[in-house]
Amino acid sequence: AQKVTQAQTEISVVEKEDVTLDCVYETRDTTYYLFWYKQPPSGELVFLIRRNSFDEQNEISGRYSWNFQKSTSSFNFTITASQVVDSAVYFCALSEGLAFGNEKLTFGTGTRLTIIP
Amino acid sequence: DAGVIQSPRHEVTEMGQEVTLRCKPISGHDYLFWYRQTMMRGLELLIYFNNNVPIDDSGMPEDRFSAKMPNASFSTLKIQPSEPRDSAVYFCASSLRGAYNSPLHFGNGTRLTVT
Repeated sequence: AQKVTQAQTEISVVEKEDVTLDCVYETRDTTYYLFWYKQPPSGELVFLIRRNSFDEQNEISGRYSWNFQKSTSSFNFTITASQVVDSAVYFCALSEGLAFGNEKLTFGTGTRLTIIP
Repeated sequence: DAGVIQSPRHEVTEMGQEVTLRCKPISGHDYLFWYRQTMMRGLELLIYFNNNVPIDDSGMPEDRFSAKMPNASFSTLKIQPSEPRDSAVYFCASSLRGAYNSPLHFGNGTRLTVT
């Protein structure tokens, strides 16, 4: 069974600091997909990134970067030079994929990030 | 381009009443998902559809919950009778080709309060 663990329940940092959100996953499949979603105070869930299990290259998008390491089953998310607008709950998610009937997304419990101005 | 549309945004009802939540997915998306979010359990998948057919309803908590997708542009989640423990935010999401192949696009959610 697939499982996603976000051990950090809440994190607070001062604006402009860097912050890393941890995500550890469990799966028996060799093909799977990892995701990060953001839930701002307004409540909607916003897709940030999708990464497949065959691509371990780190990805950078502006102030956001993701570090995928299969050896440790981790998919961590770093925000550089944090801003108040980054305050949100961030969810890591996993889809084992490929097999019909397996196209669902399993979410971690989320990390509430607060950026202090 | 319209996103996933859910209605109502807020619903307050008394225990024992029937509640119907509605969702219009993004046009052209083949998959539709219903999630429930609570403080205690986080985001839980209730059921998902592919081409209007329910694929996995193992997350539906009890027989009091039912979901339908009569056509590609509409789905409902019904709770009958409702109970206070059903209070949660219910999200509908759609995707083009399944969760592993394309991102889920979420609606704004329906906040349900059962008193």
